[in-house]
Formats: sequence, structure tokens, C-alpha cells
Amino acid sequence: DAGVIQSPRHEVTEMGQEVTLRCKPISGHNSLFWYRQTMMRGLELLIYFNNNVPIDDSGMPEDRFSAKMPNASFSTLKIQPSEPRDSAVYFCASTKTGVVGYTFGSGTRLTVV
Amino acid sequence: GENVEQHPSTLSVQEGDSAVIKCTYSDSASNYFPWYKQELGKGPQLIIDIRSNVGEKKDQRIAVTLNKTAKHFSLHITETQPEDSAVYFCAASYSGNTPLVFGKGTRLSVIA
Repeated sequence: DAGVIQSPRHEVTEMGQEVTLRCKPISGHNSLFWYRQTMMRGLELLIYFNNNVPIDDSGMPEDRFSAKMPNASFSTLKIQPSEPRDSAVYFCASTKTGVVGYTFGSGTRLTVV
Repeated sequence: GENVEQHPSTLSVQEGDSAVIKCTYSDSASNYFPWYKQELGKGPQLIIDIRSNVGEKKDQRIAVTLNKTAKHFSLHITETQPEDSAVYFCAASYSGNTPLVFGKGTRLSVIA
């Protein structure tokens, strides 16, 4: 299994631009989580999906952030417009009902200049 | 909601010594407590976990203890090696499939 796949690995964009982060969970996993990691705040949950349905998006910072999961094998996190304070590493993780523990992807390092 | 506190934030040990990282949690309903290791440029990786019906769990040089009454749990690494150097995170959740709340992490350095 290739694990959780995130793309791109690095993204540098200018303030105001739209950014789309992508995640492919492990095949057969039915829960998907988006986390943001910063030095100051650590790992923060942004949103999570069960069976492709958003369950809790209370961690999404503001309306500039949106996430979708159109099918069991793909999810996106979009920031529009991006701001310098959005600079962070964004992780996607997946798991399966009855299986304990998440598997994390390698993350996307986002830099907004 | 759940709040997880982790200490210390940095820890340096000599190779071969033991390392202990401690976490406390606030929600008595939490019953799943994993530990993750994050190496530079990589995502966190699960190294060991414990459920609330168990007080201690061991896997080779790594052990985790849980005190539900006091709401704290600890990671113990014995006979540390340079490859143990990484950032370690504790976490808590109601079950293995619900969102994890993470501690702020401990940067462990093992000095050869």
C-alpha cells in the first residue's frame, strides 16, 4: 500500500491566490482528517469526514477555508484567498472503522508570501 | 472539549539512557491514547497506543502507562539510540476513529 498520498509536497504562493491541497487516503479507509501544524499551535484538526460526509468542520479557521471529499479516494482542502498567516504544514490522515490509529500523509508545506 | 498538555517541550538524553514524556488530558470520556513519532520532513507515525482498560503496554524499548484517575499518561523509551531523536506527540480521543487531540510535542535529542 502506498499510504496516504498528499500533493503537492511544497507550495509557495502569493497572498490573495487560491491554493488547493490534495489527499488520497489509503484504499478501504472510511475516515479522513485534515490537520494543520504550526510551531505555535501544534497539530490542529481542521475538518474530518466519515464515509465522505463532513462530520465536524469547527476547526476550519474561517470562510476562506473549504474542504470536499467527492469520493472515497480523494479529498481537497482549498484556501481562497490565501494569507501569510496560512503558512503551515497541512496533513491529511485516514483510518478505518475498527482499526485504531491514523495513518498520516507526508504533508504539504504551504508558504504564502 | 478535550485539552492535552505535554511535557517537557524539549528533552536531551545520553545514548543508552531512558527518556520519559508525560501528558495530561482533561476529558474523562477519552479512552484512547496514542503516541506518534515525527521525523523531519515526514508525517507523524503511530508508535504505540493504549486504551483505558489497560494500565500499561510495552513494545520492545517503548512502554506507555496510563493513570485514568489522575488523567495522565506517559511514554517511556529505554536504552535510547540516536535514531530515537525526533518529535513525539501524545494524543487523546473518545475512540480510535474519532478525531485525536494532540499535545504540543516533545523534541527528543539522543546524544551519542
